[in-house]
Amino acid sequence: GENVEQHPSTLSVQEGDSAVIKCTYSDSASNYFPWYKQELGKRPQLIIDIRSNVGEKKDQRIAVTLNKTAKHFSLHITETQPEDSAVYFCAASKGNTPLVFGKGTRLSVIA
Amino acid sequence: GAGVSQSPRYKVAKRGQDVALRCDPISGHVSLFWYQQALGQGPEFLTYFQNEAQLDKSGLPSDRFFAERPEGSVSTLKIQRTQQEDSAVYLCASSLAVLGTFGSYEQYFGPGTRLTVT
Repeated sequence: GENVEQHPSTLSVQEGDSAVIKCTYSDSASNYFPWYKQELGKRPQLIIDIRSNVGEKKDQRIAVTLNKTAKHFSLHITETQPEDSAVYFCAASKGNTPLVFGKGTRLSVIA
Repeated sequence: GAGVSQSPRYKVAKRGQDVALRCDPISGHVSLFWYQQALGQGPEFLTYFQNEAQLDKSGLPSDRFFAERPEGSVSTLKIQRTQQEDSAVYLCASSLAVLGTFGSYEQYFGPGTRLTVT
């Protein structure tokens, strides 16, 4: 089955700097790659997603890139703010099937 | 509109007790997923429904776990004879799309039920 690896497990950045989180997946049939943000004690919140027919997608300060050949995708957050501090999870699936999640990255934005 | 809701938000059970966790998906969402999230980990798949049909229950950790969605909307996850290793947050998610179609794949999560087995 699918296996998703996520790095780094923790990341600290200064406010205003960029943050990059990387994930790799194993199943070449996976075609949907969402990113979730989870604050302590809260539900995972979908922040951006990408499908395999697209290489890059951007939404304001957040962007995701996908390299199907290498089977990896990345989350980029620019101009980080303290409210970006949370745990971020990447995931992969084959369309509308159960998501397989990475282990998460705890992002701390230092003011 | 209303998002995915779950109840109870917190449940403390003594080892050996049975528990029932409820999920109300977004109205009109065909697909419903249950995930288990251990402390400090990512959610892990338990089971999946498309309308009232349980299409995949491969993630259920033992036969003590049972899920149903009899009318294709509300779902209940039941755990019999709870054990300490069952302590986790149980998340429910719903999605508009059906299996195999090119539609809206976004899964929206509920707030979860934090189960503590003592």
